[in-house]
Amino acid sequence: GAVVSQHPSRVICKSGTSVKIECRSLDFQATTMFWYRQFPKQSLMLMATSNEGSKATYEQGVEKDKFLINHASLTLSTLTVTSAHPEDSSFYICSARPSGGGSNQPQHFGDGTRLSIL
Amino acid sequence: AQKITQTQPGMFVQEKEAVTLDCTYDTSDQSYGLFWYKQPSSGEMIFLIYQGSYDEQNATEGRYSLNFQKARKSANLVISASQLGDSAMYFCAMRGVSASKIIFGSGTRLSIRP
Repeated sequence: GAVVSQHPSRVICKSGTSVKIECRSLDFQATTMFWYRQFPKQSLMLMATSNEGSKATYEQGVEKDKFLINHASLTLSTLTVTSAHPEDSSFYICSARPSGGGSNQPQHFGDGTRLSIL
Repeated sequence: AQKITQTQPGMFVQEKEAVTLDCTYDTSDQSYGLFWYKQPSSGEMIFLIYQGSYDEQNATEGRYSLNFQKARKSANLVISASQLGDSAMYFCAMRGVSASKIIFGSGTRLSIRP
């Protein structure tokens, strides 16, 4: 089945560091990928929609300068948390849907990245 | 605007019993899709089942079935013969025709008792 690879799975770093998270679709092309954030015991909150070859679309309240998204190819999107602070600590998870897929195509998720800022 | 509501924050069920997880939704789209995902403690999101708004029959996938009642805007997940490995968070989700993104409900934590 469709596989989405997310790397790294866990990051622990000092406050002020920038952290890059990669999301790759391994066996399909994805014009669009999605980045979610999940706090403990809460639901997934959509942060932004990553569009190949164009700017990402951010959800209301998400700082685009804080969470930089690049979707340079049909199989790779990256999320960079710039100058991370402890309040950015969270579980970040990406997902993708095959390009040209019908509306019944589910989004396939990466395994998530647990980010801890000290 | 689209909205997904899951009113059961947590449920406990005896092993081998059937369980129903509730989900109601609201959308102005005529065409939409409803999904259920399972999230174990390890964090990955596992796709379980899909129901299209124009599908006449309720979706089924193995032990999972979706009780779709369009007029009531509900899409409950039914798990038959529950197993210990079914213990996890379960999220109901929706995608409307006007948007490619999926939005999630708040989730239900299901715990299966041996």
